[in-house]
Amino acid sequence: DIVMTQSPDSLAVSLGERATINCKSSQSVLYSSNNKNSLVWYQQKPGQPPKLLIYWASTRESGVPDRFSGSGSGTDFTLTISSLQAEDAAVYYCQQYFSIPITFGQGTRLEIK
Amino acid sequence: QLQLQESGPGLVKPSETLSLTCTVSGGSISSSNSYWDWIRQPPGKGLEWIGSISYSGITYYNPSLKSRVTISADTSKNQFSLELSSVTAADTAVYYCARHLVSPVGEWLVPFDYWGQGALVTVSS
Repeated sequence: DIVMTQSPDSLAVSLGERATINCKSSQSVLYSSNNKNSLVWYQQKPGQPPKLLIYWASTRESGVPDRFSGSGSGTDFTLTISSLQAEDAAVYYCQQYFSIPITFGQGTRLEIK
Repeated sequence: QLQLQESGPGLVKPSETLSLTCTVSGGSISSSNSYWDWIRQPPGKGLEWIGSISYSGITYYNPSLKSRVTISADTSKNQFSLELSSVTAADTAVYYCARHLVSPVGEWLVPFDYWGQGALVTVSS
């Protein structure tokens, strides 16, 4: 299984500041047939299912604000929220879809300072 | 707009079988570009992928659960289902159904873009 490890486990950021969450996979998730990374980011708020934010490591899902961006390749990935809004307080998960079983990171709790 | 809704018992006794159904509306589970998945989340914990089924009935399971899991589909009802046998307290979780998109050759295109609201299943005597 590919192990996904996120850091930090939690962070607190002030409104308008930048938030950065890291995700590391235990092996490369670069898909050779399209040269894209099989890595996705979700946002989950209490009592709700996860919401797809970014897939292929950097492709923003339709309707997701452009303050959310994803980067990285191979085994190291980053989710950046450029200017934190109050509604961004949530738990964020990375997930690989390179191989079965699909695996998720443990989650990063983002709070507003 | 695609919608998914989980249904089933909220309480299951240890050693029995957990059964859930996901009803899909606003789209067909027979769509050739869609696979249908089950994912669970123990209270206060992270996400675990259980398995998926394709429009043609091909299934993929998490090896950690494979011996106890069956995912099936009923295209006439536009539903797919999960059965998890021999449950213990460790199977207590919110169970989500979700969809992912694939290419014509079955390669992942877009991960879980639609989710149900989730169904809490508690395993207790």
